[in-house]
Amino acid sequence: EIVLTQSPGTLSLSPGERATLSCRASQTVSSNYLVWYQQKLGQAPRLLIYSSSSRATGIPDRFSGSGSGTDFTLTISRLEPEDFAVYYCQQYGSSSVTFGQGTKVEV
Amino acid sequence: QVQLLQSGAEVKRPGASVKISCKTSEYTFNTFFLHWVRQAPGQGLEYMGIINPTRGSTTYAQQFQGRVSMTRDTSTATVFMELNSLGSDDTAVYYCAKPLWNGDYAFDSWGQGTMVTVSS
Repeated sequence: EIVLTQSPGTLSLSPGERATLSCRASQTVSSNYLVWYQQKLGQAPRLLIYSSSSRATGIPDRFSGSGSGTDFTLTISRLEPEDFAVYYCQQYGSSSVTFGQGTKVEV
Repeated sequence: QVQLLQSGAEVKRPGASVKISCKTSEYTFNTFFLHWVRQAPGQGLEYMGIINPTRGSTTYAQQFQGRVSMTRDTSTATVFMELNSLGSDDTAVYYCAKPLWNGDYAFDSWGQGTMVTVSS
């Protein structure tokens, strides 16, 4: 099973700042199978990025994904007040689906 | 717009079973496989498995094999997830989720979640 490790655990930033979130895999992940979600308290996750770098429908272009192999990054270019939330990466491959433990972006 | 409407919160005793429903609407039921994901309080997301609504075939995550059963009712466009032999560590919010396209595992629509509390 591929283990995803997200860092940092918590990111303390202010609105307007840039956020860089990391997701590192214990084995190579196909770029087609790396996904990012945003989750706010009491809500279901929301799909942000699929196939490592493709934005889901309705996702603002301040969100971008990049990376390959074992290292992937979610970047929020300028934080808006509604972006403060928990972010999860997810991979699927070899009949296995795993999530990272999450990065909390807080004010 | 795709909708996934889940059944309400449950409280169960240790050792009991729980069965959660996920009623789909606003799309053709057979179009997408459906998945289940859970989240313990204050914890991350954990994948449970997948059901093919057309055939009823399933694949479960290894840690749930032997204890979970996913079924469907095509007449009501509803999928079900039953988890047996509940323990306190099964206390979680359980979600059904739809992928972007069939065969994919990026989930673009989620149910509202069903809270299951296991307590004596």
